[in-house]
Amino acid sequence: QQQVKQSPQSLIVQKGGISIINCAYENTAFDYFPWYQQFPGKGPALLIAIRPDVSEKKEGRFTISFNKSAKQFSLHIMDSQPGDSATYFCAASKRGSQGNLIFGKGTKLSVKP
Amino acid sequence: EPEVTQTPSHQVTQMGQEVILRCVPISNHLYFYWYRQILGQKVEFLVSFYNNEISEKSEIFDDQFSVERPDGSNFTLKIRSTKLEDSAMYFCASKMQGEGGELFFGEGSRLTVL
Repeated sequence: QQQVKQSPQSLIVQKGGISIINCAYENTAFDYFPWYQQFPGKGPALLIAIRPDVSEKKEGRFTISFNKSAKQFSLHIMDSQPGDSATYFCAASKRGSQGNLIFGKGTKLSVKP
Repeated sequence: EPEVTQTPSHQVTQMGQEVILRCVPISNHLYFYWYRQILGQKVEFLVSFYNNEISEKSEIFDDQFSVERPDGSNFTLKIRSTKLEDSAMYFCASKMQGEGGELFFGEGSRLTVL
């Protein structure tokens, strides 16, 4: 119940294409769903986050779609660029938790020029 | 831009030795965390720290682990007697507020236990 399941494990997309990464959770106490981007040798960096009171959030080329009834959320990267090549982690935290993030296993994205 | 800094970047130690990993969180942040990432695996929560005490810890954070904020700026993770399976990247993180808010991660300290 504490898990966040992420797919795919790896993804190859052509430059200009759309990258889609999916996550699913079981625990209905989760109420904060961030996506983190990690480059090799660096720490994770917050990309975009959503709370379950909205179904979509967009920031530039990055969009989170959230389906509360299905307990799923996804990251869409529009117009994917080679500079987007990184590992992406979805995460979730529970109401009342102060930063205890449960991470998915990560998706390694490669954007080919 | 303010950042979380961690030292050392890489430490190699023998099994059974004590290790201290150090972190300087962002100066106006109040909540501090340690996470770890075993090579190729997901990032895992270890412990959170607020108001000079542990607020939450995971099953991984057993008696071999301890955290301390010895002064106004440093936040340390001590592993008393390292095991081979402690080999991982350890990330320090901090944030300003408890609920929500962006969690800022450092670049990590790679620990290799031989």
